[in-house]
Amino acid sequence: EIVLTQSPATLSLSPGERATLSCRASQSVRTYLAWYQQKGGQAPRLLIYDASNRATGIPARFSGSGSGTDFTLTISTLEPEDFAVYYCQQRSTWPITFGQGTRLEIK
Amino acid sequence: EGQLVESGGGLVQPGGSLRLSCAASGFTFSSYGLNWVRQAPGMGLEWVSYVSSRSTSIYYRDSVRGRFTSSRDNAKNSLYLQMNSLRVEDTAVYYCARDDPTYGGNPFNCWGPGTLVTVSS
Repeated sequence: EIVLTQSPATLSLSPGERATLSCRASQSVRTYLAWYQQKGGQAPRLLIYDASNRATGIPARFSGSGSGTDFTLTISTLEPEDFAVYYCQQRSTWPITFGQGTRLEIK
Repeated sequence: EGQLVESGGGLVQPGGSLRLSCAASGFTFSSYGLNWVRQAPGMGLEWVSYVSSRSTSIYYRDSVRGRFTSSRDNAKNSLYLQMNSLRVEDTAVYYCARDDPTYGGNPFNCWGPGTLVTVSS
C-alpha cells in the first residue's frame, strides 16, 4: 500500500498570505495525484487532478505541482473561504489511498 | 454535473449488518466507476471499495474484504454496499464518490453528502 504523508498537520496563516502544503508518497505515483478540500460537515471537493491540473470551477489561486513522490498544493493568496482541511489522494496503485490531511486554520 | 445521495446508515450492534444505497441522477450512471469512501469521526478519508461501470472489476481495502460487498444496478442508477460482521471501527460517515475519466488519474469529481453508520452496543 502506498502511504501518503502530508505536512504540516496544521498550518496557521492569515488571509492574504501564501499557503504551501506538501504530500509525499512512499513510492512513485507518477502524476496520479489529486487534492481535495473539505469543510466542516461537508463532502470533499476536488481541487487538483493529475498533480497540476485545476478542476472545473476552481479558482486560479490554487495550483499543484510535483511528480513521482513529492507534491505541493499552493494557494497563492488566501481567501477567508480557503480555511479548511486538505487531502491528497493517489490512484497509481490499488488500494487508493489518502493522506492524513492538513488543516489550514486562521492565525 | 450529476448528483449522488446516500441512504441506509444508522445504529447497529457489533456483528450486525447494514446495507447502504447511493442513488445517482443527472449523468449517465452506467458510464462511470463508483467508489465508497468513509470518514471516522474526527479522522481523515479512507477509501473502501470500487466498482467499475459494468461491475467487471470490484476492489476492496483489506480491512473490509470478505465482510463488505459492493454492487450496482445500472437500470436503477444505484450503487450498494452490503456490510456484514460490522465492527466498532467501521463507525464512519460513508460517502459515495464518482470517478471522472475525463480527468487524468480518474479523481473523484462528484460526492454524495454521506450517511452515518454507527456500530455500538
